[in-house]
Formats: sequence, structure tokens, C-alpha cells
Amino acid sequence: NAGVMQNPRHLVRRRGQEARLRCSPMKGHSHVYWYRQLPEEGLKFMVYLQKENIIDESGMPKERFSAEFPKEGPSILRIQQVVRGDSAAYFCASSSNAPGTGGETQYFGPGTRLLVL
Amino acid sequence: QKEVEQNSGPLSVPEGAIASLNCTYSDRGSQSFFWYRQYSGKSPELIMFIYSNGDKEDGRFTAQLNKASQYVSLLIRDSQPSDSATYLCAVINTGGFKTIFGAGTRLFVKA
Repeated sequence: NAGVMQNPRHLVRRRGQEARLRCSPMKGHSHVYWYRQLPEEGLKFMVYLQKENIIDESGMPKERFSAEFPKEGPSILRIQQVVRGDSAAYFCASSSNAPGTGGETQYFGPGTRLLVL
Repeated sequence: QKEVEQNSGPLSVPEGAIASLNCTYSDRGSQSFFWYRQYSGKSPELIMFIYSNGDKEDGRFTAQLNKASQYVSLLIRDSQPSDSATYLCAVINTGGFKTIFGAGTRLFVKA
């Protein structure tokens, strides 16, 4: 029973390039969350998606960042024109139910460590 | 005021002692509360969730929730060196879908 999968585990980009992070939720999970974690800091919510829908993107920067969760395939977090401040660990989590329903426990993937040179 | 506050620590306890980790939250209408453990360089892993006022026990772990005081805690009995990690408190905000994490408390259990 595979858990949440993320790839790549490590990603190095130069300033101005695009970073594309992938997340495959646990089997049977249709709710995906993305978080960013800076060193020595807590997790910061970015976006919550269900299949083909963005439900809450209140934590996403208004520019350069986008997320999708297509009907088929993994969820993608895309960062365009990366800057050094984007360097962080990006975690994806999935749940079987929506938040507030009682079955919303989130299970985390191993994360993608993004380094922008 | 931060939405979810934790003492950053480090909290140091001897092996076999009880470790007490505390968390306060600002959204009075929050309904779902979680404790995660995160080892350095790893992803968070769920320890417990709690929805109702009172205590919830699971093995060596006990979560305590007091909604009137907007306070949730985690007790770890018979602490082991392997419990040394950062413990993250998480709260789902009222009517929304956002999970707010505290900055975490670093726990050291001394052998």
C-alpha cells in the first residue's frame, strides 16, 4: 500500500527557471494539500485541491505559483521564474475526506527539497 | 497573534519522564486538532487527532483538548530517546479547508 509519493525528492533550479513538483496521493484519496516549509519553521498551507478543482488557494502567492490536480495523473505544483526565496521543502499531503468531515486526517509525502541557485 | 502558537523549545526531559507539549489557537470555532511528529529532514507523521473536549489516549500518547480555553496539549509518557523530534500542532480553521500548523516544539529526550 503505497503512501503519498512525491517527485523529485530534490530539485535544483537557477533563478528564472521553472520548477515543477509532482504529488501522487494515497490510493483512494481524492483530496490533496500542498505545504511549504522553510528551515526551522512550521508548515505553511499553500493550496487544497480535489480532483480537477482548486478548493482553497488562500496560501498561494498571487504570482508565479500555480497548482492543479487533473482527473488523471498526479497533482502538480508549478513555480515559474523561481527566485532564491523559493528555496524550501514542499510537502504534499492527501486525505480520504474533506476537512471538517471527521475523516480528514492528512498523510504526508516525503517532500521535495527545492534549491534555487 | 499567531493562529496556532507553540513554545519552540527545546524541551528537554530525561528518559522515562512525561513530556508535556502545549498549543493554543486563536480561531474559537475550530473543530479538528492534530498532533504530528517530524524528525529532522523527514516529513510529518500523524500521532493523534482529537475533536472533542477532554482526553484521548493512544498508547503512550494522550491528547487533551479544552475548547473553552482554546488549548490543546500532548502528553508523552515514558519518554524514549526515539521520541526526540519536533512536534507540530495543527488546527483546521472554522468553515474553511485550511490546516494551520504551529511552528513546532523541539523535544529532546536524554538517555
